[in-house]
Amino acid sequence: AQSVTQPDIHITVSEGASLELRCNYSYGATPYLFWYVQSPGQGLQLLLKYFSGDTLVQGIKGFEAEFKRSQSSFNLRKPSVHWSDAAEYFCAVGAGNMLTFGGGTRLMVKP
Amino acid sequence: SAVISQKPSRDICQRGTSLTIQCQVDSQVTMMFWYRQQPGQSLTLIATANQGSEATYESGFVIDKFPISRPNLTFSTLTVSNMSPEDSSIYLCSGTLAGGPGEQFFGPGTRLTVL
Repeated sequence: AQSVTQPDIHITVSEGASLELRCNYSYGATPYLFWYVQSPGQGLQLLLKYFSGDTLVQGIKGFEAEFKRSQSSFNLRKPSVHWSDAAEYFCAVGAGNMLTFGGGTRLMVKP
Repeated sequence: SAVISQKPSRDICQRGTSLTIQCQVDSQVTMMFWYRQQPGQSLTLIATANQGSEATYESGFVIDKFPISRPNLTFSTLTVSNMSPEDSSIYLCSGTLAGGPGEQFFGPGTRLTVL
């Protein structure tokens, strides 16, 4: 069965600083990988996805993620964080039509 | 993409009562799912809502507690029955489009508090 680990429960960065959120997955085949963001009181919004091809994927809101098969990782990055990026971020792996989510990373942004 | 709405957005209920949550999609989705998100936690899949047949429940969730209906391709309901304070959670509906390899679109969630 597939699983997803997000090692960092909380991360605090200063506005304008760069960001990297870690995601490690376990899956026997080529994974479909996703990053979702959940703002307070909101549902989940898809930031980006990886199905195949170029291992560096671009998403919305200036986010990107890099798939590294050798490390079973799919880390999310942003070069300059904005205060509005404060939210909960979930990494997920897809198998068929099913998603398995990581535990989430709560991002706080300092002014 | 698909836009998913849920009603109600939040509710406060008494122990022992039941609440039905509605999920409406603006386009036909092949699969619909119901998740539970307990306070400060990640998402846990409750069940897959199947059109015209019984839902498929994940381990730890049963039909008597969480009956689900899906009468057509754009609508589903989840009922939380005989509620207890432990049922206080956010309940989210999601759907996948035909041909999509797993990408799910989520509703805004229903925040349930049980007193």
